[in-house]
Amino acid sequence: DAGVIQSPRHEVTEMGQEVTLRCKPISGHDYLFWYRQTMMRGLELLIYFNNNVPIDDSGMPEDRFSAKMPNASFSTLKIQPSEPRDSAVYFCASTLRGGTQYFGPGTRLLVL
Amino acid sequence: SQELEQSPQSLIVQEGKNLTINCTSSKTLYGLYWYKQKYGEGLIFLMMLQKGGEEKSHEKITAKLDEKKQQSSLHITASQPSHAGIYLCGADIDGNNRKLIWGLGTSLGVNP
Repeated sequence: DAGVIQSPRHEVTEMGQEVTLRCKPISGHDYLFWYRQTMMRGLELLIYFNNNVPIDDSGMPEDRFSAKMPNASFSTLKIQPSEPRDSAVYFCASTLRGGTQYFGPGTRLLVL
Repeated sequence: SQELEQSPQSLIVQEGKNLTINCTSSKTLYGLYWYKQKYGEGLIFLMMLQKGGEEKSHEKITAKLDEKKQQSSLHITASQPSHAGIYLCGADIDGNNRKLIWGLGTSLGVNP
């Protein structure tokens, strides 16, 4: 079975540009999580969805970040405008009924 | 300060040696997850512990949760180069098993 799929795997962009990260959860999973990982702060939960509905977005850094889940098989995390401090690895994870979270390979973002 | 402390931050061992990684919280751990991460890849689920005193093993890796449910250890017996990577612990500290907190990780190197 396919695991969590994320695209792109790497993204290099210039400050001020819009960045869109994509995630396809494991089929049948009803929870989807977006995380950000940095050396200094480790893994941080940004937002999570249940049945396509955002449940908790308290980890979203600021209004520049937004996330959507238009259907059960697709979610996006958008940063507009991007800043150098947004450089990190962004992970998507999914789970069934809140059990073990299964992670995608991540998107490595570099904002110049 | 981190709510979930991992130690050591990093270690390098000779192949064949045993090692232990610790994960400690000041709060009760309703669930404790161990993951392994290789550079450029996502987190791979290893084991999950819930009950005080619980112990689980997979191949040469054993994870334990103490009776007070505030500390977990991950023990690797007869380490191999394939064990190298970053080990992360994630914990459910409010009982809803949705919003996990994470340690900063332990970087393990195994010299052949």
